[in-house]
Amino acid sequence: EDQVTQSPEALRLQEGESSSLNCSYTVSGLRGLFWYRQDPGKGPEFLFTLYSAGEEKEKERLKATLTKKESFLHITAPKPEDSATYLCAVPPSPPTWGSQGNLIFGKGTKLSVKP
Amino acid sequence: NAGVTQTPKFRILKIGQSMTLQCTQDMNHNYMYWYRQDPGMGLKLIYYSVGAGITDKGEVPNGYNVSRSTTEDFPLRLELAAPSQTSVYFCASSKTGSNQPQHFGDGTRLSIL
Repeated sequence: EDQVTQSPEALRLQEGESSSLNCSYTVSGLRGLFWYRQDPGKGPEFLFTLYSAGEEKEKERLKATLTKKESFLHITAPKPEDSATYLCAVPPSPPTWGSQGNLIFGKGTKLSVKP
Repeated sequence: NAGVTQTPKFRILKIGQSMTLQCTQDMNHNYMYWYRQDPGMGLKLIYYSVGAGITDKGEVPNGYNVSRSTTEDFPLRLELAAPSQTSVYFCASSKTGSNQPQHFGDGTRLSIL
């Protein structure tokens, strides 16, 4: 069964304390892995797409990496404004319903950064 | 740059009432989606569309209907609202299929009492 699991569910950091969020997936023939940020009361905001093992993408204090079974979102020297829920998503294994464009989402990691 | 716009932002319905959640996008994307997000759960796909006139069911379609008469609009219809449909509903769009990022609206928060 296609599945996306994110850990930890919640993470509290002090400002400047670097850490990593994990996203593990079980799908056949990965066709991309997507990271989103979701602020309270808002829709998910696209951050990164990773397509192959070894690939890395960076944006400000965030760096996403991908292996054959999981992805990490590394947060370096976080600031309070990085507080949000971070979602990971992958397309399902075809020929599952919605395989033409659907994404399977994890439940997210809620990050809190205290000043 | 509007992106994906959803209306209304909040709504309270009584059991058995019906309503339509509106979604429009101005990015000329072919694919559009409706998800629901419940506390502690991941986003679940309700319906999706790969172009005007073409729709298909997702993981949790029961109690909902959709139509896609234009590229821009993808309304979601709730018939005979039930408490189990209390949720936050998100509309999203993407240029093409599963290897492209989806762009989301800010959601409709729906309570059914």
